[in-house]
Amino acid sequence: QSALTQPASVSGSPGQSITISCTGTSSDVGGYNYVSWYQQHPGKAPKLMIYDVSNRPSGVSDRFSGSKSGNTASLTISGLQAEDEADYYCSSYTSSSTLVVFGGGTKLTVL
Amino acid sequence: QVQLQESGPGLVKPSETLSLTCAVSNYSISSGYYWGWIRQPPGKGLEWIGSIYHSGSTYYNPSLKSRVTISLDTSKNQFSVKLSSVTAADTAVYYCARDYTVGSTDFGYWGQGTLVTVSS
Repeated sequence: QSALTQPASVSGSPGQSITISCTGTSSDVGGYNYVSWYQQHPGKAPKLMIYDVSNRPSGVSDRFSGSKSGNTASLTISGLQAEDEADYYCSSYTSSSTLVVFGGGTKLTVL
Repeated sequence: QVQLQESGPGLVKPSETLSLTCAVSNYSISSGYYWGWIRQPPGKGLEWIGSIYHSGSTYYNPSLKSRVTISLDTSKNQFSVKLSSVTAADTAVYYCARDYTVGSTDFGYWGQGTLVTVSS
């Protein structure tokens, strides 16, 4: 069982917006602004899309945005495109004996 | 831009030790950042194995801590992971990665991954 909880799947049509949630505890998501989001296409390495809750690495489209409220972080993708279809993972720093925890992943389907 | 490349045996026998190396280009591993290992069993999600800071401090996933060792080799600019007493449950794609911002836990640079199968 993953430390962070994500929905198994979400879907949306091209042009729409979708949001993926990532729920943790006060020891990780809720306690620190160190939430990251990764995109992974089949057979590829994960790609960092959001770091420190809401920051985008250079080169990442501004259609991707992140936020946090309490123990839940969210990734929003606006103007959905076919190439956004992928698995998405959240992660967080944690003050427990583990340094990093991942979510179980969410499969995004673009209809 | 920093580049990472995993290498090691693709097949390991049960009860033996899995050993992988991550060669780093365009950045000195002793200069800063966390260097980490993450794995992904076939069809499953990501699991953090552990990380080592440029100073040598190590952090491990508690579920693997008794079996895993991560180390730096600054002379070769690479870092390694060893996982002992492997079973079929350790079959996975293993990735090495570096954090994006100094001292953080966001993995901004990844190797391409290497599949390790545990089987006799």
